[in-house]
Amino acid sequence: DTEVTQTPKHLVMGMTNKKSLKCEQHMGHRAMYWYKQKAKKPPELMFVYSYEKLSINESVPSRFSPECPNSSLLNLHLHALQPEDSALYLCASSRQPSGTNSYEQYFGPGTRLTVT
Amino acid sequence: KNQVEQSPQSLIILEGKNCTLQCNYTVSPFSNLRWYKQDTGRGPVSLTIMTFSENTKSNGRYTATLDADTKQSSLHITASQLSDSASYICVVSRNTGGFKTIFGAGTRLFVKA
Repeated sequence: DTEVTQTPKHLVMGMTNKKSLKCEQHMGHRAMYWYKQKAKKPPELMFVYSYEKLSINESVPSRFSPECPNSSLLNLHLHALQPEDSALYLCASSRQPSGTNSYEQYFGPGTRLTVT
Repeated sequence: KNQVEQSPQSLIILEGKNCTLQCNYTVSPFSNLRWYKQDTGRGPVSLTIMTFSENTKSNGRYTATLDADTKQSSLHITASQLSDSASYICVVSRNTGGFKTIFGAGTRLFVKA
C-alpha cells in the first residue's frame, strides 16, 4: 500500500467553526507533513512530524493546530479561520524526514478547504 | 540563496508531440531532485527521483536528466497524451540535518488534441 489518504475531500466552513482534516498512511513512514497550496502556486510547508513529534512549525498561525495521535495518523485542527486560509491542504509522508538521507515524499490527494 | 527555478512557466503542445521542461537550482548541499506531476486540485504524484550520481532516469514516457555540475535538470515527455496536461513540479532537497526541501513554481503543461 503506497497510498496516503485524506478526508474530507472538500470542506466548507465558517470563520467561527471548528473542523479537522485527517490524513492516514500505512507505509510505515515515520515522517508526516502538512502543506498549504494556493492556486497556481507550489505547496508551502506548514508542519513536519518526525516519529510522532512535531519537529518543524513554519510560523503557522495558532488557528491551525496539528496533531499526530500515532505513526499512521496526522490531523490538522482548524479554528477561527480566515477567508484567505482557503486553499488545498496536502498531507505527505516519507520513510524518514528529508535531510542527510532524503526520502521520497508521498502526497495525499488533498482537502479543498473553503472558508466563508 | 537556495532556489529552484522552472521554465517555461506554461507550455501548450499538440497531442503526440514531445516536450522538455527545465529546472535550474542553486540548492546546496544537494541531496536529491524529484519531479512531480500534479493534476488540478489533486496531490502531487512522484515521477522520478535522482541523487547526485544519477544523470538519467525514466518512468514510461517521462525521462528526467540531471547535470549536477551545472545544477540543471530536465523532464522530457515523449508522445504526449491529453492526460499529460498538468503542472510539473521540480523539488530539490538539501543534504543537511532537518527538513530542507525547496519546491519550484512548476510548469503548467496543456496538451491539445
